[in-house]
Amino acid sequence: DVKVTQSSRYLVKRTGEKVFLECVQDMDHENMFWYRQDPGLGLRLIYFSYDVKMKEKGDIPEGYSVSREKKERFSLILESASTNQTSMYLCASNRQGANGNTIYFGEGSWLTVV
Amino acid sequence: AQSVTQPDIHITVSEGASLELRCNYSYGATPYLFWYVQSPGQGLQLLLKYFSGDTLVQGIKGFEAEFKRSQSSFNLRKPSVHWSDAAEYFCAVGLTGGGNKLTFGTGTQLKVEL
Repeated sequence: DVKVTQSSRYLVKRTGEKVFLECVQDMDHENMFWYRQDPGLGLRLIYFSYDVKMKEKGDIPEGYSVSREKKERFSLILESASTNQTSMYLCASNRQGANGNTIYFGEGSWLTVV
Repeated sequence: AQSVTQPDIHITVSEGASLELRCNYSYGATPYLFWYVQSPGQGLQLLLKYFSGDTLVQGIKGFEAEFKRSQSSFNLRKPSVHWSDAAEYFCAVGLTGGGNKLTFGTGTQLKVEL
C-alpha cells in the first residue's frame, strides 16, 4: 500500500516562529503536494512539486515555502508563522504521467499558531 | 479556471436510506473527476474516479457516481447508507495536462442517524 507519512500530527507554535512540516512517501512518486484544509473552504493547494528541487506555486502560496531535496520528502515551511495559518495541512503524492493518477494523502498535520 | 461546487454543506440521512451527494463542476473540456472521503481526524481516501468511458463509475464501499456532461455534474450515490459512512465527502476536478493537480469542492458533511 502507498504510504504518505506526515511526521507531526499536532503542533502548537508561537506567532513569528519558523515552522517545518515534513512529509515522506514510500512509492517513488514524482509528484508531491501540500494542501491546506479549512472548514467551509475545502482543500486549497499551497505548493506542488513534480521533481526533486522543482516546485510550482498553487492557489495560496503566500506565507509559505517548500523544499524538495530528495524524491521521497517534501517539506512545507512557514517562515514566520501567523495566527491565520492555524489550519490542517495535508500532504499528498502521485505518479507522474497519465492524467487521473490517484493522489494519495497523508493523515494531516494540525497546526495551531498562538 | 476550473471550479467545483458542492451545494450541500450538511446532509443527514437515516441508516439504510439511499444517499445522493451533489457535485457540479465548471471546466471547458472534459475533466477528470474524483470523489474522496475523509473520516474525522484522517486524511482523504479515494472513493472513485472518472476520466473516460462508461459514465457510471463504481467505487469502494458500495458507492457509485454518474458523470453527466449536459448537467456538468458528478453526483455520488449509495443505495443503502451505513452508520460508518458518516464522514466528509469531497468532489474534485483534475485538469487535463495539468500535472495531476486537483481543485476541490468545499465538502459535504454526512451525518447518519441510527
